[in-house]
Amino acid sequence: EVKLVDSGGGLVQPGGSLRLSCAASGLTVSSNYMSWVRQAPGKGLECVSIIYTGGSTSYADSVRGRFTISRDNSKNTVYLQMNSLRAEDTAVYFCARGLGSDWVFDYWGQGTLVTVSS
Amino acid sequence: EIVMTQSPATLSASPGERATLSCRASQSVSSNLAWYQQKPGQAPRLLFYGASTRATGIPARFSGSGSGTEFTLTISSLQSADFAVYYCQHHSNWPPTFGPGTKVEIK
Repeated sequence: EVKLVDSGGGLVQPGGSLRLSCAASGLTVSSNYMSWVRQAPGKGLECVSIIYTGGSTSYADSVRGRFTISRDNSKNTVYLQMNSLRAEDTAVYFCARGLGSDWVFDYWGQGTLVTVSS
Repeated sequence: EIVMTQSPATLSASPGERATLSCRASQSVSSNLAWYQQKPGQAPRLLFYGASTRATGIPARFSGSGSGTEFTLTISSLQSADFAVYYCQHHSNWPPTFGPGTKVEIK
């Protein structure tokens, strides 16, 4: 059974940093596209970052230069390092697996809430 | 970036009725279109990809169609479990953008 467990969210001040984790079981993160998708309160979905099987990465314009996605193959975990956080980064962040090395997301974590506020 | 739009924003229907949801892309995405269902407090659930390929475990009352810029999700006979928000998302290139969603509510 595939399971993705998201953690690391919390309350942080504007300009602060936070690192999210996505611990995977039932799949190997290095063999899959792994992405972070966020959802602001009451709003829609935005794909903010992805790490590909070869290790290359992509970012949404809204987070490029501030967020970094990475993975630890030994821990089968994906991370999202978020720096220079802004109020508009407040959202539930979901980890998701790309189906068949595509930008289709078939397995999702439960989400972790990030609140950026003073 | 490809902009996705959805209509209607809210669809009010009764159990047993047919529901038709629309999604439009600002430029052609070929058949690279996915649909998700989301219930309050839950992660999205994949329904379709490639416009019409049903994901694992999705009931046959759901169907997806379309290509290019116009897509449709049809629920042939609404069940109580189907009242939720539905999002379309293109998976043609990066970034894979989502539509704003259609809320299917009980009439």
